[in-house]
Amino acid sequence: DVVMTQSPLSLPVTLGQPASISCRSSQSLVNSDGNTYLHWFQQRPGQSPRRLIYKVSNRDSGVPDRFSGSGSGTDFTLRISRVEAEDVGVYYCMQGTHGPGTFGQGTKVEIK
Amino acid sequence: QVQLQESGPGLVKASETLSLTCTVSGYSITSGYYWGWVRQTPGKGLEWIGSVDHNGNTYYNPSLKSRVTISLDTSKNQFSLKVISVTAADTAVYYCARDGGHWEIDYWGQGTLVTVSS
Repeated sequence: DVVMTQSPLSLPVTLGQPASISCRSSQSLVNSDGNTYLHWFQQRPGQSPRRLIYKVSNRDSGVPDRFSGSGSGTDFTLRISRVEAEDVGVYYCMQGTHGPGTFGQGTKVEIK
Repeated sequence: QVQLQESGPGLVKASETLSLTCTVSGYSITSGYYWGWVRQTPGKGLEWIGSVDHNGNTYYNPSLKSRVTISLDTSKNQFSLKVISVTAADTAVYYCARDGGHWEIDYWGQGTLVTVSS
């Protein structure tokens, strides 16, 4: 299975400041169809995961534009331009290029 | 608006069978997509269990394949999960989810905690 490694695992941030989460895969996530199936999910306390970004950089409907995704190959990044209180939670990357789909360990974002 | 809701026993005895149902509203499960299950534990995090497509074809995580069955009930717009021979390691929050392919999971249920007791 493809191993997804996130860093950091804990990210204390100041309100209004940027935050960045790294996700690395054990093999390239470029699919034979040319797409890269790397997705990002947010899980707020007590809630189900919610998808924020699909295929590296496509933001889901209703997701604030302060969230952005980038990367290629094996290295990917989720950025929050200005952290707000509602952004507290755990963020997961997931790859869907190589079956079975696999998740990263999660990065816990908290307010300093 | 697509909604998914898990239901089933919250407590299962070790060596017995875990059975959960996901009821889908706002979309017909025979119209498309994959319909799957993901579980979450403090130790292993999020783990994809498997899915069924709108034609009833199934796809399982190899790590669980020997114990898992996922199926559709089109008359009720539901799909179900069965895990046989459960152990304490199967204690988890189980989520049902809609997947657009390549694990593009766009809708999740609220999750249901299943505890395996000895």
